[in-house]
Amino acid sequence: AQSVDQPDAHVTLSEGASLELRCSYSYSAAPYLFWYVQYPGQSLQFLLKYITGDTVVKGTKGFEAEFRKSNSSFNLKKSPAHWSDSAKYFCALGQQGTGSKLSFGKGAKLTVSP
Amino acid sequence: GPKVLQIPSHQIIDMGQMVTLNCDPVSNHLYFYWYKQILGQQMEFLVNFYNGKVMEKSKLFKDQFSVERPDGSYFTLKIQPTALEDSAVYFCASSSLSQNTLYFGAGTRLSVL
Repeated sequence: AQSVDQPDAHVTLSEGASLELRCSYSYSAAPYLFWYVQYPGQSLQFLLKYITGDTVVKGTKGFEAEFRKSNSSFNLKKSPAHWSDSAKYFCALGQQGTGSKLSFGKGAKLTVSP
Repeated sequence: GPKVLQIPSHQIIDMGQMVTLNCDPVSNHLYFYWYKQILGQQMEFLVNFYNGKVMEKSKLFKDQFSVERPDGSYFTLKIQPTALEDSAVYFCASSSLSQNTLYFGAGTRLSVL
């Protein structure tokens, strides 16, 4: 079985601060890990993914995430945060191979105040 | 980025009726997916589809559900008959032959009365 946990449902910080959204996963094999962002009324947009190789992956909009096998985490980071980063962020876990399904966390609603 | 279109954005129907949700995936993508999200809960996988066949389905994909993509047209999710518990937002996604990244539509909100 595979699962994703995003422990912080709501995160609030001030513009200019550093943001870190936590994600942990449970999976017996090598994971594929993703972050998506959803702005109000819009579809989920792909931010970045980890498949293999460098454990720090960089994505769009200045985001990066670090894969840590030791504690089964894939935390999303950005510094500094901007008010336009306010959105809901989803961590997702996939299996090896194309066409495989993704399992999503419950999401973290990020609010960045100007 | 690549766009997935879902039609309609909102559908209201009476319990017991049939409904078809339409998805126009990214043009060169070959894998297709449906996800269901009940208000306040996380997005749950329903089914994935490739080469005219269901690859994998979850326990949420009841017998009343079916998917198809006839001849490169819309990828559809049909529910017949609908039940109250089918009320949710349904997200379509697609991915290419070589990439694992799923691209999502904005969702169809289904309200079963």
